[in-house]
Amino acid sequence: DAGVTQSPTHLIKTRGQHVTLRCSPISGHKSVSWYQQVLGQGPQFIFQYYEKEERGRGNFPDRFSARQFPNYSSELNVNALLLGDSALYLCASSLDVGRGNTIYFGEGSWLTVV
Amino acid sequence: QQQVKQSPQSLIVQKGGIPIINCAYENTAFDYFPWYQQFPGKGPALLIAIRPDVSEKKEGRFTISFNKSAKQFSLHIMDSQPGDSATYFCGAGSYQLTFGKGTKLSVIP
Repeated sequence: DAGVTQSPTHLIKTRGQHVTLRCSPISGHKSVSWYQQVLGQGPQFIFQYYEKEERGRGNFPDRFSARQFPNYSSELNVNALLLGDSALYLCASSLDVGRGNTIYFGEGSWLTVV
Repeated sequence: QQQVKQSPQSLIVQKGGIPIINCAYENTAFDYFPWYQQFPGKGPALLIAIRPDVSEKKEGRFTISFNKSAKQFSLHIMDSQPGDSATYFCGAGSYQLTFGKGTKLSVIP
């Protein structure tokens, strides 16, 4: 079975631009979470979605938004890109949103803002 | 903001040694504590996880020790191999995870 798939794998954007990152969860998983991993740091929670509804939001500005589609895939959108948004963006899927659900990460999308 | 403090930042051991990575958390409501392994250019892969109702869990060469009263947990890698060289992250949470900053492990032949 395929794991969590993310696209694109690498992209370069200019400051002020907008970016959309995409994620398909593991088959049968209904929850998707997004994490930002800056070089040399651990992943930091951005959003969690379940059944198309936002179930959690981390400490990120409103420039960050996400949504989940009926097929459980998800998009992360970032507007007005800043240099500091350069990071690995990780999508993770889990069966549902219960306590202590195991999350499985994709390979990530490397975003470079110049 | 809830924190998870991980140490050491980097670790070098010889093949066959037992590296130990430590994490401490603050929120007593946390009830799920996974460890992830990440190789350069790859996403984190789940290694092993523990819940606070047990004090130790072993899977293959990897063992988690958990001290609920101290709010600390650690990862032990038995008979470490050069292929274990990677960055290890501890996580803690209930519905979402908070991660430590990572430990870069190098196992030298």
